[in-house]
Amino acid sequence: DAGVIQSPRHEVTEMGQEVTLRCKPISGHNSLFWYRQTMMRGLELLIYFNNNVPIDDSGMPEDRFSAKMPNASFSTLKIQPSEPRDSAVYFCASTMGQGFGTEAFFGQGTRLTVV
Amino acid sequence: EDKVVQSPLSLVVHEGDTVTLNCSYEVTNFRSLLWYKQEKKAPTFLFMLTSSGIEKKSGRLSSILDKKELFSILNITATQTGDSAVYLCAVEAPGNQFYFGTGTSLTVIP
Repeated sequence: DAGVIQSPRHEVTEMGQEVTLRCKPISGHNSLFWYRQTMMRGLELLIYFNNNVPIDDSGMPEDRFSAKMPNASFSTLKIQPSEPRDSAVYFCASTMGQGFGTEAFFGQGTRLTVV
Repeated sequence: EDKVVQSPLSLVVHEGDTVTLNCSYEVTNFRSLLWYKQEKKAPTFLFMLTSSGIEKKSGRLSSILDKKELFSILNITATQTGDSAVYLCAVEAPGNQFYFGTGTSLTVIP
């Protein structure tokens, strides 16, 4: 199993541009999480899906952020328009069952830089 | 292949017990090792370790890193039910790359 796959690994974009981050969870996992990591705040949960349905999006910073999970094997996190303060590493994680159980599988992250 | 391995996968103890969680890693160009406590959905930062042999403490929790043997341990003494959580270990490599272990699920029984 290739694990949780995120793309791109690095993204540099100009302020105001649309950014789309992608995540492929582990096959068979039914919970998917998007996190943002910054030095100031550590890991912040943005949104959590269970069986492709958004369960908790209270961590999404503002309307510029949106996430979708059209099927069990793919999710996107979109930022439109992007701002320099969105620069961070974005992680996707997937688990079996609801929420975090005994194992959490993280992707390697997408490093976003907005200039 | 870079990887982080945590053990045990899960652990059930009684209140008052002491537990030791393990994290071993094989990561090229290690920069730091981080421990998080995951309750519900949002991890809480516990420790960042960069130097070998220097113990970090926070209340009943402590952690130490061995860069020669490539592992870290997280100790929790006098466990309480509130310590029940998934404990995540992550290793940082250059370029803001992070490698996470799959976590240790700790359950503390009253």
